[in-house]
Amino acid sequence: LAKTTQPISMDSYEGQEVNITCSHNNIATNDYITWYQQFPSQGPRFIIQGYKTKVTNEVASLFIPADRKSSTLSLPRVSLSDTAVYYCLVGDRARGRDDKIIFGKGTRLHILP
Amino acid sequence: EAGVTQFPSHSVIEKGQTVTLRCDPISGHDNLYWYRRVMGKEIKFLLHFVKESKQDESGMPNNRFLAERTGGTYSTLKVQPAELEDSGVYFCASSPWTSGKINEQYFGPGTRLTVT
Repeated sequence: LAKTTQPISMDSYEGQEVNITCSHNNIATNDYITWYQQFPSQGPRFIIQGYKTKVTNEVASLFIPADRKSSTLSLPRVSLSDTAVYYCLVGDRARGRDDKIIFGKGTRLHILP
Repeated sequence: EAGVTQFPSHSVIEKGQTVTLRCDPISGHDNLYWYRRVMGKEIKFLLHFVKESKQDESGMPNNRFLAERTGGTYSTLKVQPAELEDSGVYFCASSPWTSGKINEQYFGPGTRLTVT
C-alpha cells in the first residue's frame, strides 16, 4: 500500500482557504486518493476521493497533478468548525472496494478566530 | 438514515476484567470493521466482517480479543481479560457490499475504553 506523508499540523484563520498537501510518491496505477476528516470525539468521516485532476464537492476540493505523486485537499473559507484531523490515504481499486483502511498520523488543522 | 452506533460511549474497567463493546452498523451494510486507536498512536485496523463471516482478522492483537457478528447485523468485541495497554478508542465502521467508492466507510463515534 502506498505510503503517504502529510504535515503533522497546520493553523489557519477563519475565512481563509486552507490547502493540505499529501505526498504519495509510490502511488500505483490502481490507487485512488481519499481524504477523511475527524472531529474531536467522533469517528473519521469520508469527505472526498479522486483519481486524477480535480474533484469538488460541497465540503472540499481535491487537486491531483498529472503525475499523481501528491494531492492537495482545499477547504474554502474555513470556519472554527473545520478544526479537525485530516487523513490522506490511497486505496487500491484492484484489492476491492471493501478493503481495510490504513490510517497515517493525519494533519491536525486548527482554525483560529 | 441512522448512522453507525456504538455502545457504550465510555467504559472504565480494572485490569483483568472483561468488557464487551457493541457496534450497530448502518442497516443493510454487509461490511463491518473494527479499528482502535491507543494513546498517541494511529488508528489501526482490527478486523473485518462480511455479513457474519470474518473476512480479515489480521489486526487482532491477541487471543484476549474476540469479535462476533451473529446473524450478520450488530457486532460485539469482547476483551477478556483486559490489560492496561488495551486502553484507547475503539471505532466501528460499516460499508455496503457494493460501495461506489474505494475505502468509503461510515464510522461510529467510538467507544473510549479505560483500563485501570
